[in-house]
Amino acid sequence: KAGVTQTPRYLIKTRGQQVTLSCSPISGHRSVSWYQQTPGQGLQFLFEYFSETQRNKGNFPGRFSGRQFSNSRSEMNVSTLELGDSALYLCASSLGMSEEETQYFGPGTRLLVL
Amino acid sequence: GESVGLHLPTLSVQEGDNSIINCAYSNSASDYFIWYKQESGKGPQFIIDIRSNMDKRQGQRVTVLLNKTVKHLSLQIAATQPGDSAVYFCAENLNAGNMLTFGGGTRLMVKP
Repeated sequence: KAGVTQTPRYLIKTRGQQVTLSCSPISGHRSVSWYQQTPGQGLQFLFEYFSETQRNKGNFPGRFSGRQFSNSRSEMNVSTLELGDSALYLCASSLGMSEEETQYFGPGTRLLVL
Repeated sequence: GESVGLHLPTLSVQEGDNSIINCAYSNSASDYFIWYKQESGKGPQFIIDIRSNMDKRQGQRVTVLLNKTVKHLSLQIAATQPGDSAVYFCAENLNAGNMLTFGGGTRLMVKP
């Protein structure tokens, strides 16, 4: 099976712009979670989508949003970018049927905000 | 686990030795724990998991120990190899869907 894929892998934006990142989960996985990784804050949970619905949400401002499509692919959007949004954005997929199941991560999208 | 900021704790071991990486988790209600390995430029890779009703679980060359009394998790790697060099994260599931809370990470460096 193919793993979790994320596009693009690298992105440079300027403050005030908006960005959309894409994640394709492992085939058959219905849950997609997004995480932000920075040197200062480590790995932090953004939100989780399951069956096109946001199931869980972390403590991030409303500028961070996401959605999931019927094929389980997910996108996250960050509006009005700030310098502090520079980070590695990771998505992880799982079957979504239990809290005790493995989440598999993609390689991430590295976002640099100038 | 707590995020530790810019400085990651580092464990340096000789190739062939055993490694022990420790993690303190934050919530006594957590019931599922996972260790991930992250190599430079890659996403976290699943290593091993353990449920709260267990205190030990073994995989291939890895063992995870869970001490719920002191909220401590450890990862033991036997016969450490250069390919084990990476940052290791523990994560806990706070019984809230698929939301994982990650520790700050430990960098493992294996000397040949």
